[in-house]
Amino acid sequence: GAGVSQSPRYKVTKRGQDVALRCDPISGHVSLYWYRQALGQGPEFLTYFNYEAQQDKSGLPNDRFSAERPEGSISTLTIQRTEQRDSAMYRCASSFQSVFGVQYFGPGTRLTVT
Amino acid sequence: AQKITQTQPGMFVQEKEAVTLDCTYDTSDQSYGLFWYKQPSSGEMIFLIYQGSYDEQNATEGRYSLNFQKARKSANLVISASQLGDSAMYFCAMRPDNAGGTSYGKLTFGQGTILTVHP
Repeated sequence: GAGVSQSPRYKVTKRGQDVALRCDPISGHVSLYWYRQALGQGPEFLTYFNYEAQQDKSGLPNDRFSAERPEGSISTLTIQRTEQRDSAMYRCASSFQSVFGVQYFGPGTRLTVT
Repeated sequence: AQKITQTQPGMFVQEKEAVTLDCTYDTSDQSYGLFWYKQPSSGEMIFLIYQGSYDEQNATEGRYSLNFQKARKSANLVISASQLGDSAMYFCAMRPDNAGGTSYGKLTFGQGTILTVHP
């Protein structure tokens, strides 16, 4: 496809369950980013990759959150033992390069933890 | 650390009029990029315009222009000839452009401004 795609678009899960959110970046984009956006606020950085290497994970809230990009393309953000406070929009973005490259965002995954 | 401040929670403009959305920033980086994104009610994040800190001319993209005043640390978005479809949330963001640092790809966003265009 032409843009960044994310799946699922909506996810409802029970507290304590694990969830995996997928991001498929624009073809050829080296850098991939994960952000979390609370309602009515700007996105907050979680982590990013150049190719398959995780360059910065300083924004991951705690060790229940992890991300991988094993082949330098598709990425998965995993949240273990979900809590209600994890409910948010999770957005993925990709750019051709990390320095000077524009980040293009996917449609997001709306996660609701009940 | 970087900080973006958008002081206007909401703005109203008449169709076909121009509107300015304010953005101020704070950073210790020498080289950085400034961005504006649009988020309509559908929820997508749409890139509008980019300004590099060393660019001497203000960026323009169609009806969008970025009024960059480096000394004042401001990067206001100007939308000319507003259209009903411009009604959305607008986010200002910045990114350090110092290659070699671990966080040079990271965008920091402001709180956003909701723009409503009246017919």
